[in-house]
Amino acid sequence: DVKVTQSSRYLVKRTGEKVFLECVQDMDHENMFWYRQDPGLGLRLIYFSYDVKMKEKGDIPEGYSVSREKKERFSLILESASTNQTSMYLCASRFSGRGGEQFFGPGTRLTVL
Amino acid sequence: SQKIEQNSEALNIQEGKTATLTCNYTNYSPAYLQWYRQDPGRGPVFLLLIRENEKEKRKERLKVTFDTTLKQSLFHITASQPADSATYLCAPGNSNSGYALNFGKGTSLLVTP
Repeated sequence: DVKVTQSSRYLVKRTGEKVFLECVQDMDHENMFWYRQDPGLGLRLIYFSYDVKMKEKGDIPEGYSVSREKKERFSLILESASTNQTSMYLCASRFSGRGGEQFFGPGTRLTVL
Repeated sequence: SQKIEQNSEALNIQEGKTATLTCNYTNYSPAYLQWYRQDPGRGPVFLLLIRENEKEKRKERLKVTFDTTLKQSLFHITASQPADSATYLCAPGNSNSGYALNFGKGTSLLVTP
């Protein structure tokens, strides 16, 4: 079974802190994604990576950066956390080639105080 | 701009009945459409993919239709059970949308005994 894991299920941080969210997949997928999900707004794409060291901005990249140094790991970085970044963060991965299903991690619920 | 619309109102049905969820899209020419299930506090899970040249796809009690003229997909759950209660997301994709999927906001389904 494909497994996508995220480093924390729940995280509480203070405004201005630098926050790292880690995602690891064990199926050798080329593509990896970071979404955030908020009530009434659905899933919104922050960044994605189609291969190691490659990254593309999604719909809402402001305030975030990403890192993909190894194929299995995709990190989301909040450079200076703000309260409006309180959200559920979901990582996903899939094989390259459009049309493939995306496998999601369990999510990290981040609260910024 | 591209838009994906799913009923924002929750769908409440009685156990044993057929649930029908709708996904409409505009400014898209999807080559395929995916459906996902999401339980509270968890990541979405892939259910079905239907391609533009397929009118209908079935998997156990699930049936998906895809009408590219109406720009609509219908998702049916027959003989629904309380365990089917969840939020269902649709995600149209095409070769021009790059590597990332965009998702509808989802429709919440509640099946009561």
